[in-house]
Amino acid sequence: QQPVQSPQAVILREGEDAVINCSSSKALYSVHWYRQKHGEAPVFLMILLKGGEQKGHEKISASFNEKKQQSSLYLTASQLSYSGTYFCGTDQGAQKLVFGQGTRLTINP
Amino acid sequence: DARVTQTPRHKVTEMGQEVTMRCQPILGHNTVFWYRQTMMQGLELLAYFRNRAPLDDSGMPKDRFSAEMPDATLATLKIQPSEPRDSAVYFCASGPGGRETQYFGPGTRLLVL
Repeated sequence: QQPVQSPQAVILREGEDAVINCSSSKALYSVHWYRQKHGEAPVFLMILLKGGEQKGHEKISASFNEKKQQSSLYLTASQLSYSGTYFCGTDQGAQKLVFGQGTRLTINP
Repeated sequence: DARVTQTPRHKVTEMGQEVTMRCQPILGHNTVFWYRQTMMQGLELLAYFRNRAPLDDSGMPKDRFSAEMPDATLATLKIQPSEPRDSAVYFCASGPGGRETQYFGPGTRLLVL
């Protein structure tokens, strides 16, 4: 079952913060976050495993609430380079990922 | 720096022609995935392999698509015959297996006229 991402799109000014959510109707073993720039391949950002852990990557961090089957990606003090489409990929038990529809993030100067 | 490679990067063909896309996974990765990306459907999993054995190809139209791994360094995706609705970007990804993540290749942009 495809996870639901929200919002579908967000526009920010450089320096502002954003939160992208990923919600599943199925139990999750892990959540993987990727960023894709136009015309390029998705690039791995981070993986969150069962256990409610939070991970960080520069000013991008994420949390995973396995009870609620939700994950959130936090972008702090956004930079122009953060623009792109963010995808969550969920492992629902078959050791393969089911991706959400993506959240398009636009950062303006 | 280890990367997944895909060839060709771009392909334009006419309806009815055979298309073959190739992928070289990262050395040491034992899991290979094929995805198709379109604006309408997003990222769809077509098939995946572990240790060269096909584990799941339920996302693939069986009548025209086929995926194989002739050896550990090569995965292929074939479409025969191709149709305009197959136009999309096809990504290959590889992973070390288990619940580890996947790393995507640059993709093959396919246009079927």
